[in-house]
Amino acid sequence: GDSVTQMEGPVTLSEEAFLTINCTYTATGYPSLFWYVQYPGEGLQLLLKATKADDKGSNKGFEATYRKETTSFHLEKGSVQVSDSAVYFCALTGGGADGLTFGKGTHLIIQP
Amino acid sequence: DSGVTQTPKHLITATGQRVTLRCSPRSGDLSVYWYQQSLDQGLQFLIQYYNGEERAKGNILERFSAQQFPDLHSELNLSSLELGDSALYFCASSPYSFSSYNEQFFGPGTRLTVL
Repeated sequence: GDSVTQMEGPVTLSEEAFLTINCTYTATGYPSLFWYVQYPGEGLQLLLKATKADDKGSNKGFEATYRKETTSFHLEKGSVQVSDSAVYFCALTGGGADGLTFGKGTHLIIQP
Repeated sequence: DSGVTQTPKHLITATGQRVTLRCSPRSGDLSVYWYQQSLDQGLQFLIQYYNGEERAKGNILERFSAQQFPDLHSELNLSSLELGDSALYFCASSPYSFSSYNEQFFGPGTRLTVL
């Protein structure tokens, strides 16, 4: 079945550092790819998405590019802030009427 | 605030009991999804309803069931509860029947503790 693999962390960075969170996937067909973020005590919020190969999703300074050849969707941000501290989930949908398949989540801690 | 509401926020119960979790989707959304988030299994898709009908099933146990009512709110029923059912249960909604391409809007979750 479909699966998503991402680094679990915690990942601890200093403010203004460059962020990369790796995500690779296994899926049949042509999945859509998503990054969701979960702040403490809250539900998940969509951060960005890409629906076909070579698409780049971007939002709030975060970016991820759908790489079919490497089955990856790595999340990047050039300069992180303390407010970016959260858990980040990579996810996919395989198409059709189904739910999201999530990675285990990466806990990001940004220190001032 | 996503517009999706879930009640109750917290639920503590004993093994063998039955509980019902409630979800109200965003206004106008026809799809409701249920997810379970636990430390060992992570976030798992349980089931989807669209406009009152079951649309897709994920890793939902036979002890669990769900339904969506004519006003589009949904309930997740968990019975014969076990310690391992302790988890955060999320509901999400979407305007569409198909999840591809489309954002799902998540509620704040119900934390279930089984003692």
